[in-house]
Amino acid sequence: EAQVTQNPRYLITVTGKKLTVTCSQNMNHEYMSWYRQDPGLGLRQIYYSMNVEVTDKGDVPEGYKVSRKEKRNFPLILESPSPNQTSLYFCASSLSSGSERYNEQFFGPGTRLTVL
Amino acid sequence: AQSVTQLDSHVSVSEGTPVLLRCNYSSSYSPSLFWYVQHPNKGLQLLLKYTSAATLVKGINGFEAEFKKSETSFHLTKPSAHMSDAAEYFCVVSEAGKSTFGDGTTLTVKP
Repeated sequence: EAQVTQNPRYLITVTGKKLTVTCSQNMNHEYMSWYRQDPGLGLRQIYYSMNVEVTDKGDVPEGYKVSRKEKRNFPLILESPSPNQTSLYFCASSLSSGSERYNEQFFGPGTRLTVL
Repeated sequence: AQSVTQLDSHVSVSEGTPVLLRCNYSSSYSPSLFWYVQHPNKGLQLLLKYTSAATLVKGINGFEAEFKKSETSFHLTKPSAHMSDAAEYFCVVSEAGKSTFGDGTTLTVKP
């Protein structure tokens, strides 16, 4: 089944404890992206990747890191989480975001993160 | 720079009546425009996308959207609301890898 998977789905942690949220897709998509969703703010893009070893900042990259060492995986790293990073996080992938401009994104199920 | 404005944060309709969810956008280039739906405690699902082949776009579950370049709008409509349409709806503009979501419109459908 074609899908985007995220792990963990739920995480409660404490301030300053490094964590990684994994994202994997099995559709051979070039493009992957991370978003956070907060009430009343829609989804805001954190980082995106057009292809392996190519990553760019979205609108809210502060406090986050990403890497794209292989096509299928795009982990989100919080080196020193803070309470304002408590949010619902979504990973997404798309066939391409280059010349084919109309490819929709496929979203993972979300990871609910609480930082105490 | 691109932006999206969803003009209504909440819309309430009765079952069987028309639905209109409004979206205005700004973009430097010809935009890629999408509508996604999110049901409570669920992920996001694509409703429809504008591909420049036609200004009136048909999507899933009877939804349509009309692209109006002169008004920079991409409003979502459905002729007859169903209880299962109750959800949050997001208008999205994408350009060169960056995606900007509107703040969302919560649709309530009354019996």
